[in-house]
Amino acid sequence: AQSVAQPEDQVNVAEGNPLTVKCTYSVSGNPYLFWYVQYPNRGLQFLLKYITGDNLVKGSYGFEAEFNKSQTSFHLKKPSALVSDSALYFCAAVRGGYSSASKIIFGSGTRLSIRP
Amino acid sequence: ETGVTQTPRHLVMGMTNKKSLKCEQHLGHNAMYWYKQSAKKPLELMFVYSLEERVENNSVPSRFSPECPNSSHLFLHLHTLQPEDSALYLCASSQGWRGNTGELFFGEGSRLTVL
Repeated sequence: AQSVAQPEDQVNVAEGNPLTVKCTYSVSGNPYLFWYVQYPNRGLQFLLKYITGDNLVKGSYGFEAEFNKSQTSFHLKKPSALVSDSALYFCAAVRGGYSSASKIIFGSGTRLSIRP
Repeated sequence: ETGVTQTPRHLVMGMTNKKSLKCEQHLGHNAMYWYKQSAKKPLELMFVYSLEERVENNSVPSRFSPECPNSSHLFLHLHTLQPEDSALYLCASSQGWRGNTGELFFGEGSRLTVL
């Protein structure tokens, strides 16, 4: 079965420090990979996506993600965390070549908490 | 004006009530979705409409009844729900369904509590 795993329920980082939110996937073919963010009492917002090309993808709010095919990972990173980055982050994947938004598989989410 | 608007934002209902959730998208998209978000669970896709035709129904109980009168509006009619149906219901839209690279635009959700 195809799946997306976010192994950490919660990540705590001090403001100004680098942050990483982990994601691994099990999706056949060449996957399309996504990160979404959900602020309190809000819907999900698209952050970035990997389709093909450069393994390092840059997205909104200074976030970036690194695609690693051998490790089947797509970790979200930011060099310097802000308190306003505190939110729930979702990794998602869909099988490439059969792209359909309805086939997107979401992880269970990682709550990122940035302390001042 | 946000791209995808959901109303109401909060809804409390008894198990015998009938209510509806509404979603409207102002992005010119032609595919719309209902997702269920429960605590510490992955997002669950419930229904997909493409060009107003239901294209997916992921084994959702019949007490949830979707309606898509046009490409901009999506409803979720609720009837005789159970307490375990309490969750955040998210509407989303996308430009296209097949062939889309997967970017979804979400509303802010309707928080449903079933007593």
